[in-house]
Amino acid sequence: DGGITQSPKYLFRKEGQNVTLSCEQNLNHDAMYWYRQDPGQGLRLIYYSQIVNDFQKGDIAEGYSVSREKKESFPLTVTSAQKNPTAFYLCASKRNYEPQHFGDGTRLSIL
Amino acid sequence: DQQVKQNSPSLSVQEGRISILNCDYTNSMFDYFLWYKKYPAEGPTFLISISSIKDKNEDGRFTVFLNKSAKHLSLHIVPSQPGDSAVYFCAADLNAGGTSYGKLTFGQGTILTVHP
Repeated sequence: DGGITQSPKYLFRKEGQNVTLSCEQNLNHDAMYWYRQDPGQGLRLIYYSQIVNDFQKGDIAEGYSVSREKKESFPLTVTSAQKNPTAFYLCASKRNYEPQHFGDGTRLSIL
Repeated sequence: DQQVKQNSPSLSVQEGRISILNCDYTNSMFDYFLWYKKYPAEGPTFLISISSIKDKNEDGRFTVFLNKSAKHLSLHIVPSQPGDSAVYFCAADLNAGGTSYGKLTFGQGTILTVHP
């Protein structure tokens, strides 16, 4: 069954720690995306990648890092430099000429 | 600067009636628009889209209308059902006509509640 898997669903982080959110897709999509959603707001783009070993900053990339070593995987690291990391994080992927498909998200909270 | 706006945070509709969700945009370069539906603690799911060369696109109970001169689009759901209760996001894309791994710009979302 094809889809996008984000893990874990809930994640807790202590202040000062880096944390990595996983996103895996078996849809054979070329492009992958990371968004952040805050209460009452729309989705804001953090990073995106159109091909393996290449990625671009989105609108709110500060405090985040990504890698794209495999087509199927696009992990997001929330670094200690991200001052307000508590949010709902969504990963998406896309094939050309088709809409983006989303995973079910990871909710990150600061302890 | 919010380029895509959904000015109604919430909408309440009776089952069987029409739901109309609105979205405005400011960037005239947007040429492809999408609507997504989202349940709590889940990712958005794609509903319907429209290219700027059209003014209407229909898929079952869902119809999207685009008014380019007013930079406005709307999603009509007829008839509304309780299962339609969710958050609806509109999104806009640039250069969707060509090779596009588009960066979507999302509105804030509208919470639709359909009462039985």
